[in-house]
Amino acid sequence: TQLLEQSPQFLSIQEGENLTVYCNSSSVFSSLQWYRQEPGEGPVLLVTVVTGGEVKKLKRLTFQFGDARKDSSLHITAAQPGDTGLYLCAGKGGYAGKSTFGDGTTLTVKP
Amino acid sequence: DVKVTQSSRYLVKRTGEKVFLECVQDMDHENMFWYRQDPGLGLRLIYFSYDVKMKEKGDIPEGYSVSREKKERFSLILESASTNQTSMYLCASSSVQGPQPQHFGDGTRLSIL
Repeated sequence: TQLLEQSPQFLSIQEGENLTVYCNSSSVFSSLQWYRQEPGEGPVLLVTVVTGGEVKKLKRLTFQFGDARKDSSLHITAAQPGDTGLYLCAGKGGYAGKSTFGDGTTLTVKP
Repeated sequence: DVKVTQSSRYLVKRTGEKVFLECVQDMDHENMFWYRQDPGLGLRLIYFSYDVKMKEKGDIPEGYSVSREKKERFSLILESASTNQTSMYLCASSSVQGPQPQHFGDGTRLSIL
């Protein structure tokens, strides 16, 4: 089983601050996904990164896939209370249809 | 708007009961997944299906089975429910081009007493 470690586990910041969360593994992934999950709802797919070194931007969110495709980061600029939620990363190995999820980072953005 | 619908948001059952969790997607997706989500353990894959009547075990299939008789419907079955199966169950689907889960339902919180 390929393991994904997310850090930090919990993060509480004030509105307007910047933050970065990390997703690390010793395994190589063919692609990596980031999701956000709000209480009482299922995860929502934010982005998929495929190429080593790839950077994708989604408004104030910047996602980067490591050069070796073993790690990824999510950077949020000027966080807003609406960014509050559980952020999950999931890596897909070579086995079709199986993604391994990290434990998630719980982000709280205070107004 | 695309949708994955799980039949129940909350469910309470007793130990030893046979439990059915239903999931329907309206996107004509080939792939469907069942996960359970537990604090500190993240999402763990129970079973997935890449076509009608096809299924493959995930990481924690013990105590579960699945059924996919129609493309849009994927059912998770707890053969004889036990208290350690109390959890949040999430269904997901994806197109054949992206065998990672793309769309999730809102989950079923199952309690086994």
